[in-house]
Amino acid sequence: GAGVSQSPSNKVTEKGKDVELRCDPISGHTALYWYRQSLGQGLEFLIYFQGNSAPDKSGLPSDRFSAERTGGSVSTLTIQRTQQEDSAVYLCASSLAWTSGSYEQYFGPGTRLTVT
Amino acid sequence: RKEVEQDPGPFNVPEGATVAFNCTYSNSASQSFFWYRQDCRKEPKLLMSVYSSGNEDGRFTAQLNRASQYISLLIRDSKLSDSATYLCVVTEAGNNRKLIWGLGTSLAVNP
Repeated sequence: GAGVSQSPSNKVTEKGKDVELRCDPISGHTALYWYRQSLGQGLEFLIYFQGNSAPDKSGLPSDRFSAERTGGSVSTLTIQRTQQEDSAVYLCASSLAWTSGSYEQYFGPGTRLTVT
Repeated sequence: RKEVEQDPGPFNVPEGATVAFNCTYSNSASQSFFWYRQDCRKEPKLLMSVYSSGNEDGRFTAQLNRASQYISLLIRDSKLSDSATYLCVVTEAGNNRKLIWGLGTSLAVNP
């Protein structure tokens, strides 16, 4: 079946602009996660959504970052007033977690964000 | 101490070699464990879950030692296509929905 999809695959933006990144999880997956990965670094957790529960926002680095998940499916990560240090690959993952007790996460191809 | 620690490598091995990666985790209450692989400039992909009894998938064997808080991955008869970064992952203590990621061990299999 279809995997996790993300768009755009690449985004170049000027410092100070806002950007929106989109994630479409695997159908039926109730948990959705956002991570970012800077070049040569590990995965940094940002936020996760689980069903109708309040999202865990504990990884968001500043209040310029926000995310929403509409209808329990598609999610949008928004970065306001982008800074050069926001340049990274933003990865989305989804998981069956809630329904199956299985916690493996499946990743999309990522959005490579470059802030100039 | 990092929550999940791995030897960063790189490990350089010839084709056909057996290579082992180790990982330690800090919180004994973590309940689920995984190995992912990540190719250069690609997303992480699940390689295998790690079960208490140990498990094998073809050339790959994963072991878990809860008492020592230690996870291992053994790759036998390594192939060029095994070249990647191997990420050790554990669930957060008390929250199986959140994963804690190691920084990865880099493997290069040479002809």
